[in-house]
Amino acid sequence: KAGVTQTPRYLIKTRGQQVTLSCSPISGHRSVSWYQQTPGQGLQFLFEYFSETQRNKGNFPGRFSGRQFSNSRSEMNVSTLELGDSALYLCASSPDATNEKLFFGSGTQLSVL
Amino acid sequence: DQQVKQNSPSLSVQEGRISILNCDYTNSMFDYFLWYKKYPAEGPTFLISISSIKDKNEDGRFTVFLNKSAKHLSLHIVPSQPGDSAVYFCAASAPYGNKLVFGAGTILRVKS
Repeated sequence: KAGVTQTPRYLIKTRGQQVTLSCSPISGHRSVSWYQQTPGQGLQFLFEYFSETQRNKGNFPGRFSGRQFSNSRSEMNVSTLELGDSALYLCASSPDATNEKLFFGSGTQLSVL
Repeated sequence: DQQVKQNSPSLSVQEGRISILNCDYTNSMFDYFLWYKKYPAEGPTFLISISSIKDKNEDGRFTVFLNKSAKHLSLHIVPSQPGDSAVYFCAASAPYGNKLVFGAGTILRVKS
């Protein structure tokens, strides 16, 4: 079974631009969560989708948004990029609604210049 | 607010000895706890978990201990191996919370 796939692996953008990151969960998994990892801050929860519905949202500004499609694939979008948005963005999928165990992708490393 | 705290940013241990990684939490509603391991350029991978109805869970060289009264859990790795060198994240979830809350991570270095 293929793991969680995130594209692209690396991305370089400039301030003010917008970016879209993609995540394909493990086949059969219906829940997708997004996390931001920065040095010293650990993994900060962004949002979680289950069956195309956003169930949870973390404490991030409205510039961060996401969606999930009927095939469970998910995208997250960051508009008006700021330097502080530079981070590793991780997507994780879970087979059910409990999210007791998450399976992570390798992440997208975003650099904002 | 840091609901899950890993106060040691790094830990260095000799091969063959015990590694003890610590984690504290503040939310008394948390009832399920996990440890994840992360190598550079890879996503975190699940290591071991424990439910609040237990105080210990063992899986091979890895044991997690939970002290609910102190809101503290620890991960013991015995014996430590160089391949265990990674970042270890503690995570917790509440009933029906539908999200995992992670700590900042501890970098473990096992020296051979």
